[in-house]
Amino acid sequence: KQEVTQIPAALSVPEGENLVLNCSFTDSAIYNLQWFRQDPGKGLTSLLLIQSSQREQTSGRLNASLDKSSGRSTLYIAASQPGDSATYLCAVRLDSGYALNFGKGTSLLVTP
Amino acid sequence: DAGVIQSPRHEVTEMGQEVTLRCKPISGHDYLFWYRQTMMRGLELLIYFNNNVPIDDSGMPEDRFSAKMPNASFSTLKIQPSEPRDSAVYFCASSDDRFSSGANVLTFGAGSRLTVL
Repeated sequence: KQEVTQIPAALSVPEGENLVLNCSFTDSAIYNLQWFRQDPGKGLTSLLLIQSSQREQTSGRLNASLDKSSGRSTLYIAASQPGDSATYLCAVRLDSGYALNFGKGTSLLVTP
Repeated sequence: DAGVIQSPRHEVTEMGQEVTLRCKPISGHDYLFWYRQTMMRGLELLIYFNNNVPIDDSGMPEDRFSAKMPNASFSTLKIQPSEPRDSAVYFCASSDDRFSSGANVLTFGAGSRLTVL
């Protein structure tokens, strides 16, 4: 079974800082990897999708990288803002199926 | 489009009662997924449908759980009888047929928070 781990579980930073969220997975036979954002009491919003053949994806201040061989992905957030405060979840889809295997998330707080 | 619509948003019930959660996927989406989120276990896939047909229900925890998709615009997740350990947030998500090639992402509903006393 694919295990997805996210470190740290929680993070608090002052506004303006650049930060990195980490995701590791045990099975490197992945189809793609996705980063989501979850706001309290809300559903999940997809941020970035990286196919297994890709190394990174960028959207605005967000950059996600993927290293299949080492089983790692990072989400880089540049110039953080209070509005970035949320839980960030990493999800891995294996070659063998359609299920997304989620990490438990990193809870981010950006203080003004 | 209004997105994936789930109801009820909150449900409080007593142990032993039947619970029915409902989901309306985005129009034109061929795939529908039910996930459950708890603090202990995070997000887990329960079941998914393709073109209204259940494809993989291996994540359904036990026979007390059942899911149906009678048509392309409606799905239900039923728990009968409910137990306190079923307390969780249940999410429905949908995607179009590009999901099969990995080219599209899931769109999640806002979730149904279930509390079983």
